Amino acid sequence: DGGITQSPKYLFRKEGQNVTLSCEQNLNHDAMYWYRQDPGQGLRLIYYSQIVNDFQKGDIAEGYSVSREKKESFPLTVTSAQKNPTAFYLCASSILAAEYNEQFFGPGTRLTVL
Amino acid sequence: KNEVEQSPQNLTAQEGEFITINCSYSVGISALHWLQQHPGGGIVSLFMLSSGKKKHGRLIATINIQEKHSSLHITASHPRDSAVYICAVKDPLGSGYALNFGKGTSLLVTP
Repeated sequence: DGGITQSPKYLFRKEGQNVTLSCEQNLNHDAMYWYRQDPGQGLRLIYYSQIVNDFQKGDIAEGYSVSREKKESFPLTVTSAQKNPTAFYLCASSILAAEYNEQFFGPGTRLTVL
Repeated sequence: KNEVEQSPQNLTAQEGEFITINCSYSVGISALHWLQQHPGGGIVSLFMLSSGKKKHGRLIATINIQEKHSSLHITASHPRDSAVYICAVKDPLGSGYALNFGKGTSLLVTP
């Protein structure tokens, strides 16, 4: 089945540790995105990538890093520099230059910093 | 940046009621999306529209480009419609092809 997978579903981290969230898609989409969701707030863009080996900062990139070594994969690292990392993280992908830019979302990873 | 506002923030309805969720945005857009987020967190796309009206089953989405406003209607609501409904816009001047999202409307339909 085509889709986007994120792992793990739940992640616990001690303060001061880096952690990497996985995102894989087999939809052959060029563009991939990372969003953060906090209670009572809309999804906010962390990073996006339109092509392999290239990515751009979104609205809240500080404390995060990404890589795009393969078309199918767009992992997100939450570094110890991120002051409030506890949140729900969603990965999405889309076809570039599509009329509406429909985005397909993964199931999300809920990160809790202890 | 395109500001996206949704109303109401929370909505409780009895099964069978007609439901309307509203979305307004501040800057002209090329497309508007309605998304549904289930309690487990997964998000699915319901509609994408740039003009007029679209219908899918009991769901209807309309958009008025001049007024920068869209509505999502649910006819004959059912408890399984309980979810968070999110409006998002594709800003032609925004970050690549990313979307700007509203905060969502939490809908609870009771039997």
